Amino acid sequence: NAGVTQTPKFQVLKTGQSMTLQCAQDMNHEYMSWYRQDPGMGLRLIHYSVGAGITDQGEVPNGYNVSRSTTEDFPLRLLSAAPSQTSVYFCASSYFSRENTEAFFGQGTRLTVV
Amino acid sequence: AQKVTQAQTEISVVEKEDVTLDCVYETRDTTYYLFWYKQPPSGELVFLIRRNSFDEQNEISGRYSWNFQKSTSSFNFTITASQVVDSAVYFCALGPGRGGGSNYKLTFGKGTLLTVNP
Repeated sequence: NAGVTQTPKFQVLKTGQSMTLQCAQDMNHEYMSWYRQDPGMGLRLIHYSVGAGITDQGEVPNGYNVSRSTTEDFPLRLLSAAPSQTSVYFCASSYFSRENTEAFFGQGTRLTVV
Repeated sequence: AQKVTQAQTEISVVEKEDVTLDCVYETRDTTYYLFWYKQPPSGELVFLIRRNSFDEQNEISGRYSWNFQKSTSSFNFTITASQVVDSAVYFCALGPGRGGGSNYKLTFGKGTLLTVNP
C-alpha cells in the first residue's frame, strides 16, 4: 500500500517556467488537497478536491491550477513560476466523517524558483 | 472559522528532559478531530496521533503522551525523557468531523521547532 505518492521531491525552476507536481493516492479517499509550507507560516491550503471532477480554492490559490480527472490523481500546475512560489509543497489525501477522519501526506516537494 | 495556535515557536531542551508542546484550537464544530504531526529534518510529515472530539481520554504511546482538554480547547503533547531523535518541527492540526462546503481541510498551527541537545 503506497499511500500518497508525490513527485518530484526536488525541483528548480526559472521564473516564468511551468511545471506540474504529481500526486497519487491508492486509499480511495474522496478528498485530496495541496498545501504549501513556508517558514513561520505552517501549512496553508492551496486547492482541494472533494471528488473526481470537483475542485475548489483554498487560502492561497493564486498562480496554481488543479484538476481531478480520477479519484487517484490530483496534479498541481504552476503555469508561470514566480520566486514567491519557492516553497515546500505537500499533497494530502483525506477522509472526513463523524466516525473517522484521517489525513495522509506525500513526501513533499521542495521547489525553488530562481 | 477554525484556528490552531501553537504559541511556542521554538523550544530547546537537553536530552532526557521532559517537554510539553502546547496546542490551542478554535472551532464551532461539535464534532472535530485533532492531529499531531512530526516533521523531522528530512522534511516529510509523520502522523503521530488523531483524537476525536468525543474522546477526552488522554493517550500514552511510549514516551509520547497527549492531554486533550475540551474545557480549555487544548490538545497538548508531552515527550518524556526526550532524545536527540525527537528534534523536529511538530504541527498540531484541526480537522472536521464531517465534510461540508469549504470544510474539507485541515487547519494547521504554525509549528513548534523542538531541538533536543545531547
